[in-house]
Amino acid sequence: DTVMTQSPDSLAVSLGERATINCKSSQSILDTSSNKNFLVWYQQKPGQPPRLLISWASTRDSGVPDRFSGSGSGTDFTLTISGLQAEDVAVYYCQQHYTTPLTFGQGTKVEI
Amino acid sequence: QVQLVQSGAEVKKPGASVTVSCKASGYTFTSYYLHWVRQALGQGPEWVGIINPSGGRTSYAQKFQGRVTLTRDTSTSTVYMELSSLKFEDTAVYYCARDRHQSGSDVFDYWGQGTLVTVSS
Repeated sequence: DTVMTQSPDSLAVSLGERATINCKSSQSILDTSSNKNFLVWYQQKPGQPPRLLISWASTRDSGVPDRFSGSGSGTDFTLTISGLQAEDVAVYYCQQHYTTPLTFGQGTKVEI
Repeated sequence: QVQLVQSGAEVKKPGASVTVSCKASGYTFTSYYLHWVRQALGQGPEWVGIINPSGGRTSYAQKFQGRVTLTRDTSTSTVYMELSSLKFEDTAVYYCARDRHQSGSDVFDYWGQGTLVTVSS
């Protein structure tokens, strides 16, 4: 199985500041033929299911504010929230869909 | 609008089986794969398996092989997840989630509200 490891487990950021979340996969999830990284990011608020934020490591989903950005390739990825807003308090998960079983990171809790 | 509505919470004893349903609406049921994902309290999500509502073909995570069965009823646009030989560690919220692409991408765009399954003696 491809193990996804996120860091840190939690972080506290002031309103308007930047939050950076890292995700590392135990093997490359870059498809060299398409040059696409099979990595997505979700946001989960308490009592809700996850919400898709970013696909292909860096493509924001429809309706996702542009303060959310994703980067990285191969095995190392980053989710950045530039200018944290109160509504961004949540747990963030990365997920690889390069191979089954599909696997998720353990989550990073973002607080104010 | 796309909706996935799941059945209510369940409490089961170890060794028993549980069936959770997921009724889809707002789109063509047979056009998108549906996945099941579970999440224990305070943990990351864990993928259980996938079903193609069109032909009924399934694929399961090896961890659950032999214990999980996914089925669908096209007449009611409902998929079912049965998990047998329940263990305490199966206690989790179980979600159904739609695949975002008709061709299958293993990325989830719509989720059910979740069903809490508690295994307790």
